[in-house]
Amino acid sequence: DQQVKQNSPSLSVQEGRISILNCDYTNSMFDYFLWYKKYPAEGPTFLISISSIKDKNEDGRFTVFLNKSAKHLSLHIVPSQPGDSAVYFCAASAPSGSARQLTFGSGTQLTVLP
Amino acid sequence: NAGVTQTPKFQVLKTGQSMTLQCAQDMNHNSMYWYRQDPGMGLRLIYYSASEGTTDKGEVPNGYNVSRLNKREFSLRLESAAPSQTSVYFCASSWARTGNTEAFFGQGTRLTVV
Repeated sequence: DQQVKQNSPSLSVQEGRISILNCDYTNSMFDYFLWYKKYPAEGPTFLISISSIKDKNEDGRFTVFLNKSAKHLSLHIVPSQPGDSAVYFCAASAPSGSARQLTFGSGTQLTVLP
Repeated sequence: NAGVTQTPKFQVLKTGQSMTLQCAQDMNHNSMYWYRQDPGMGLRLIYYSASEGTTDKGEVPNGYNVSRLNKREFSLRLESAAPSQTSVYFCASSWARTGNTEAFFGQGTRLTVV
């Protein structure tokens, strides 16, 4: 049973337009959410995060929105650039007595067309 | 600044062979993790180590063992490789045992078991 779901395996967007990547979760204990970006043959790199006490976090062209009642978060990229083409993973974590563990979604392949 | 370094980058094993994947981080992080990535399934946690001297099972620990050799190094061992262990393996580390901190990933080890 996947606790973090990314239902769109792929998304294509024109350069300069907005990219919206979506993520749903089922575990109400999750209180910290992250987006990672992954290029082929590289490890995932951290992009942006949001705590459950917030509903929005911005960092340059990237904005993450959190809707706790719907258990939904989204990543907006404006404007999209060809270099943004990558796989984007949504991840979530819950409080833990030892190390925080990240639970990942299956990823969305974003292609930004020039 | 190397970050998280994994060796080897590629490996082909025969069924039943054993091998150890090495991981080292130079960021003085407390927590370290091993994930596997399979098509359509995102990253799944195999084992993690909250701090030096401790290890715990993640979501998919069967067929694997780990050793937290010191604060810097966390190795993953396959005692008797099976084709189902064909995957890309990522090591990661994070600073805090609790709290909202992101994990940093290595470049991955692509393992094929034939």
